Amino acid sequence: EPEVTQTPSHQVTQMGQEVILRCVPISNHLYFYWYRQILGQKVEFLVSFYNNEISEKSEIFDDQFSVERPDGSNFTLKIRSTKLEDSAMYFCASRLGAQTTDTQYFGPGTRLTVL
Amino acid sequence: KNQVEQSPQSLIILEGKNCTLQCNYTVSPFSNLRWYKQDTGRGPVSLTIMTFSENTKSNGRYTATLDADTKQSSLHITASQLSDSASYICVVSLTDSWGKFQFGAGTQVVVTP
Repeated sequence: EPEVTQTPSHQVTQMGQEVILRCVPISNHLYFYWYRQILGQKVEFLVSFYNNEISEKSEIFDDQFSVERPDGSNFTLKIRSTKLEDSAMYFCASRLGAQTTDTQYFGPGTRLTVL
Repeated sequence: KNQVEQSPQSLIILEGKNCTLQCNYTVSPFSNLRWYKQDTGRGPVSLTIMTFSENTKSNGRYTATLDADTKQSSLHITASQLSDSASYICVVSLTDSWGKFQFGAGTQVVVTP
């Protein structure tokens, strides 16, 4: 069964450094998402992406964050200058179509640790 | 403020027993409600999706119910198995949104032998 993949599984970085989290959504999906989950807390929406542009973003997704689909398969989340509070699990998700009841498929996540 | 509240926060059940998890939401305008299963350190996996017009939806041993009038949903797990040990998350979608879902904090279920 097709699945969303994410790399790396764990990223450790120093505060102030830039990180890029990578995702490969399911190949025929058109809608892409990033979520984060701080340890012990609920999953939070960051951004949704369709047709090569951001369609929605949360208040968390400020200027230090950016997303990109550099080619036909990868979907990346860049954090420009990491802060301690960016430490979290970051999940990528994809969805086939625009039906609001379409299933969202989540990747296994990247655990980001900022020291 | 759009909120999704789940109860209980955690529960322990014996293998083979049934359990019911609750979800109350204040999200508006409401589009659909989803239940996800999240194993520790993994991404959420979709169990059920219900629109406001649906009252119940089943997926194997998982049965979700929805009362859009009272804004309550439940997830019933029948004949629990050890592999059911996970966090179960209620997620509500807004009508005008493609993915700006509101997540509950989850109910941590532990199934013991």
